[in-house]
Amino acid sequence: DQQVKQNSPSLSVQEGRISILNCDYTNSMFDYFLWYKKYPAEGPTFLISISSIKDKNEDGRFTVFLNKSAKHLSLHIVPSQPGDSAVYFCAAKRNSGYALNFGKGTSLLVTP
Amino acid sequence: GAGVSQSPSNKVTEKGKDVELRCDPISGHTALYWYRQSLGQGLEFLIYFQGNSAPDKSGLPSDRFSAERTGGSVSTLTIQRTQQEDSAVYLCASSTGFSNQPQHFGDGTRLSIL
Repeated sequence: DQQVKQNSPSLSVQEGRISILNCDYTNSMFDYFLWYKKYPAEGPTFLISISSIKDKNEDGRFTVFLNKSAKHLSLHIVPSQPGDSAVYFCAAKRNSGYALNFGKGTSLLVTP
Repeated sequence: GAGVSQSPSNKVTEKGKDVELRCDPISGHTALYWYRQSLGQGLEFLIYFQGNSAPDKSGLPSDRFSAERTGGSVSTLTIQRTQQEDSAVYLCASSTGFSNQPQHFGDGTRLSIL
């Protein structure tokens, strides 16, 4: 049962434009959400997270938005750079839990 | 400082053999996790260690899988009598153990069962 869903397997964006990666979840007990970036043959690298008490968290070019009523979060990358090309995973954790539930990832390609 | 270290990076073995995968977490991190990623899938939780507490093994897919963590640091994931469906990338992560802190991953061990 996939509790975290990333419905777009891939996304292509031009350098300098905004990349928007989406994620939906089904479990209302999730209260902490994370985005990870993964290059081939490397482990996932933590990018940014958000707690359910917030609806927005920003770190440089990366912003995560959380819409609890819609059980939806998104990652915005502005401006996109070729080095951002990677697979992005959305993950969520239940309150008082510890195991992360991951989506299947979205492969982002930023073209020059 | 050093990140999570996993070894070996690749392992090819014959069906039926036992394998051991090693994880060295970030120094000072009390929580350690094992996940696996099968082809085209997201990461799947396997097991969790926190300090000296009994591990949560609820994600282990069968009794052929076991893990231990010695001295609250290095962990070993053992798969006995490997099957072809065990082929995956096995990822280890660690965290401070405090609530709502990110898990930091190693580069994984790519396991291939022939």
